[in-house]
Amino acid sequence: QVQLQESGPGLVKPSETLSLTCTVSRGSISSHYWTWIRQPPGKGLEWIAYISYSGGTKYNPSLKSRVTISIDTSKEQLSLKLSSVTPADTAVYYCARAAYYDGYKVFDFWGQGTLVTVSS
Amino acid sequence: DIRLTQSPSFLSASVGDRVTITCRASQDISSDLAWCQQKPGKAPNLLIYGALILQSGVPSRFSGRGSGTEFTLTISSLQPEDFATYYCQHLNTNSYTFGQGTKLEIK
Repeated sequence: QVQLQESGPGLVKPSETLSLTCTVSRGSISSHYWTWIRQPPGKGLEWIAYISYSGGTKYNPSLKSRVTISIDTSKEQLSLKLSSVTPADTAVYYCARAAYYDGYKVFDFWGQGTLVTVSS
Repeated sequence: DIRLTQSPSFLSASVGDRVTITCRASQDISSDLAWCQQKPGKAPNLLIYGALILQSGVPSRFSGRGSGTEFTLTISSLQPEDFATYYCQHLNTNSYTFGQGTKLEIK
């Protein structure tokens, strides 16, 4: 069973850069698609970005100018950087794997999520 | 980009009830729609993909239907553990999209 674990600071100051890491275990990061998703308190899910096993990336247009996603296959880690944060970026941040099942792309494994609060 | 609109946003029901949640896509997505369940403080969990294919381990009281732009998730007989928030989702090459969620509460 693939396991994902997010890590990073729980508190970030406004205008600074939020940096998170997702460590993948019991599976290889060198396949499938790796994604960051966030959920503001009491609200719905918002896709941030994904990176494929080959390094191709796609970003949510509303966040694209502030987001960088990357993978380090030697460490089996996925990373997220979100710059110029504001309190509106306060959310639980999830990493998730997307894979094909019967020709359909779905999220099959998720991390437990990590709460990041943006506040001075 | 494709938008997904769920209805209702909130649903109050009792154990044993049959409930249906609808998800409408802004354009034809064939049968490429999934449903997930999220309980408070937990990550979402995949229930159905391909509009109607039950993920392994998911109880058969969950079912999905639809194609094109209109989809439904039905729970045939609500169990206490089913009270949660449900999201439809569509993943394509360019973007990933979620519906806004339907919170299913105990009446």
